[in-house]
Amino acid sequence: AQSVTQPDIHITVSEGASLELRCNYSYGATPYLFWYVQSPGQGLQLLLKYFSGDTLVQGIKGFEAEFKRSQSSFNLRKPSVHWSDAAEYFCAVGRNTGTASKLTFGTGTRLQVTL
Amino acid sequence: EPEVTQTPSHQVTQMGQEVILRCVPISNHLYFYWYRQILGQKVEFLVSFYNNEISEKSEIFDDQFSVERPDGSNFTLKIRSTKLEDSAMYFCASSVRGPRGTDTQYFGPGTRLTVL
Repeated sequence: AQSVTQPDIHITVSEGASLELRCNYSYGATPYLFWYVQSPGQGLQLLLKYFSGDTLVQGIKGFEAEFKRSQSSFNLRKPSVHWSDAAEYFCAVGRNTGTASKLTFGTGTRLQVTL
Repeated sequence: EPEVTQTPSHQVTQMGQEVILRCVPISNHLYFYWYRQILGQKVEFLVSFYNNEISEKSEIFDDQFSVERPDGSNFTLKIRSTKLEDSAMYFCASSVRGPRGTDTQYFGPGTRLTVL
């Protein structure tokens, strides 16, 4: 069974500081990995995704993530955080089943940005 | 940019009542999903749907739940007899399969269901 662990429930960073949100996954084959962001009262917006190939993927809003198979990780990074980045961030793992494939989400990391 | 839309944004119902949550997936997408998020918890998969049938369902998706694509645009989730524990945010998602089975799901804004 696939699973995702986000070890940090809550992170606070200063505006302009760098950010790294951790994500570890468990899956028997090559996973499909995603980061979604949820602003308060909003839906889930896709930040970036990894299917194969280059292990460093770029997303929207200046975010990037690196797939490290040896560590079963897919950490999200941003070099300089803006106040508008305050939100909840979810890592998710999917799989290639040949049909509609569910996503399994982590518990999320709430990001607070101080000015 | 095409978006998944959901109605209503908020639904309040009495325990035991039936509710229907509606979704309009992105128009060229073929795979449809429902997820839910109980307040303060993670997003959980409920059901996936393709080619007019359920592809996969979770243990949460019991006989009280059903899904339907009644026409070419809508995708609905019905809860026959709501319970207090059904109170949650319900997200619809849709996707179109890409190369090598890649599948990117796009989510709607959600329907907040409150069962009293």
